[in-house]
Amino acid sequence: AQKVTQAQTEISVVEKEDVTLDCVYETRDTTYYLFWYKQPPSGELVFLIRRNSFDEQNEISGRYSWNFQKSTSSFNFTITASQVVDSAVYFCALGGGYQKVTFGIGTKLQVIP
Amino acid sequence: DTGVSQDPRHKITKRGQNVTFRCDPISEHNRLYWYRQTLGQGPEFLTYFQNEAQLEKSRLLSDRFSAERPKGSFSTLEIQRTEQGDSAMYLCASSSSTEAFFGQGTRLTVV
Repeated sequence: AQKVTQAQTEISVVEKEDVTLDCVYETRDTTYYLFWYKQPPSGELVFLIRRNSFDEQNEISGRYSWNFQKSTSSFNFTITASQVVDSAVYFCALGGGYQKVTFGIGTKLQVIP
Repeated sequence: DTGVSQDPRHKITKRGQNVTFRCDPISEHNRLYWYRQTLGQGPEFLTYFQNEAQLEKSRLLSDRFSAERPKGSFSTLEIQRTEQGDSAMYLCASSSSTEAFFGQGTRLTVV
């Protein structure tokens, strides 16, 4: 069975602070994909990143960066210099390629001006 | 084709009524998924299609739920005899081998 744990249910930071959202996963698959999605108050799920299990290179996209460590089964997400528009619920998810995606419970991030 | 679209965005229905939601995936994606998201939770898998074939159904999908994708394009999710516990956001997603995108969801409220 697949499982995604996001231990932080809510985080509040002051604008311009850096924040890291933790994600730990469990799977028996040798090939799998990890995702992060953002869900703003409007409700839609916005795709942020997809990484496969063979690619442990960290990735940076603007203010966003992801740290994938297979040894600890973690796929953490860092927002640098947070902005109010970053306020949302962030979901980490795990899937096996085309297979269904298993989501964590989500971390609600509030960026205070 | 700008993304996955779902209709309606919001639906309020009385308990016991039937409701049907529609999802139009990204045209070149052959996989289509339905998820349900209740308040404070992450989305939970309901079912998925590859083209017109329904390949997997979750235990969450009771007999009152049925999903179709008749021509391998759009999909419908019907809930019969709705119950208050069906109140949730119903999300549709489509995927290719490299990406997965969600629609904006249909928020169902059963009163």
